[in-house]
Amino acid sequence: DIVMTQSPLSLPVTPGEPASISCRSSQSLLHSNGYNYLDWYLQKPGQSPQLLIYLGSDRASGVPDRFSGSGSGTDFTLKITRVEAEDVGVYYCMQGLQTPRAFGQGTRLDIK
Amino acid sequence: QVQLQQSGPGLVRPSQTLSLTCAISGDSVSSNSAAWNWIRQSPSRGLEWLGRTYCRSTCYNDYAVSVKSRITISPDTSKNQFSLQLNSVTPEDTAVYYCARGYYDSSGLRRGMDVWGRGTTVTVSS
Repeated sequence: DIVMTQSPLSLPVTPGEPASISCRSSQSLLHSNGYNYLDWYLQKPGQSPQLLIYLGSDRASGVPDRFSGSGSGTDFTLKITRVEAEDVGVYYCMQGLQTPRAFGQGTRLDIK
Repeated sequence: QVQLQQSGPGLVRPSQTLSLTCAISGDSVSSNSAAWNWIRQSPSRGLEWLGRTYCRSTCYNDYAVSVKSRITISPDTSKNQFSLQLNSVTPEDTAVYYCARGYYDSSGLRRGMDVWGRGTTVTVSS
């Protein structure tokens, strides 16, 4: 099974400053079709997770362009260019290449 | 827009069966562009994918090894919903349970779990 590892686990950020979260998989998530099967989700306090990024770098509908995903193979990054107060919550990466699906441990972003 | 409405009991006795339902609106459980997932979340396990059902010319299931001997996920085309049954529960199965849609575009590319239910808190206790 694929294991997902995120860092850092806690990320205090000043509003307006950038933020970056790393996600590493134990196996390559690069499909034979050339796409990386890596998602990013944000779980805001008291809510269900919501999809931010799929295929490693494609923003889901309605996601602000301050969010971007990059990486390939086993190493991926989620970046927020300028953090806003509404970005608070726990960020998860998840591999969608094979079953069982696997999530990272989560990175808690809060505002300094 | 697609919505998922979860229902089921919040308290289950140990050794009994946990049963949850996820009703779909705006899509079809038999859609060949979707997979219907169950995921749970607990402080000790984080987000844990439990399994999915998806229908192409026939319907299929995939399950997590950790629950494979106890789990059944079933589509119900007559009610446009899918269900989770988890047998022989213990307090370790206490968690918030989510249903979620995995979406595939017309070329078969997987586009993430884009719709989630609101979650059902299930406590296993006598």
